[in-house]
Amino acid sequence: DAKTTQPPSMDCAEGRAANLPCNHSTISGNEYVYWYRQIHSQGPQYIIHGLKNNETNEMASLIITEDRKSSTLILPHATLRDTAVYYCIVRVAPPSNTGKLIFGQGTTLQVKP
Amino acid sequence: DTGVSQNPRHKITKRGQNVTFRCDPISEHNRLYWYRQTLGQGPEFLTYFQNEAQLEKSRLLSDRFSAERPKGSFSTLEIQRTEQGDSAMYLCASSYGDRVMEQYFGPGTRLTVT
Repeated sequence: DAKTTQPPSMDCAEGRAANLPCNHSTISGNEYVYWYRQIHSQGPQYIIHGLKNNETNEMASLIITEDRKSSTLILPHATLRDTAVYYCIVRVAPPSNTGKLIFGQGTTLQVKP
Repeated sequence: DTGVSQNPRHKITKRGQNVTFRCDPISEHNRLYWYRQTLGQGPEFLTYFQNEAQLEKSRLLSDRFSAERPKGSFSTLEIQRTEQGDSAMYLCASSYGDRVMEQYFGPGTRLTVT
């Protein structure tokens, strides 16, 4: 599995877009990028995933560079409830992947009023 | 759909005692995962079940740990002869079909071994 690198912490003003970067320069062609977040005292929560095209859902947008060596998770209008640790995970798709999530240190996003 | 539930939410035990945690996944989710999380670290994979079959175990899962998922529904994680190093948050997650990477997590059981 490709190694990921994320900044340990970031701040964002409430109402502004939060852009969380992830570097995965050794990613393989069949590996997806997944994002989870963990709000304090809760279990992790799946956000979004993508292979090479940009993806958007009700929670966030995922922008993957053309060379796929990095990606950015975008929370378009951050709220205080978005304060959490955000994890970027790179894994191959099933069935080769049994679903074992490998979490790194993640990025602690602090949304400030 | 009430989500993944875990019981108890907190457990304090003395070193050497046995503890058992329960996880109720989202109904119809065929895969169930256990993770452990220590303070300041991301969750670490322990084991997973597809239906009632335990298909993978981490090296973190020592002989003192055992997990079961009878009838492919709820799961239990037992730790025998607890040690202080077992103190952690134990998280359970479930997923459906081939969406194995879209896991739904429970709130966790926080274990403190004194």
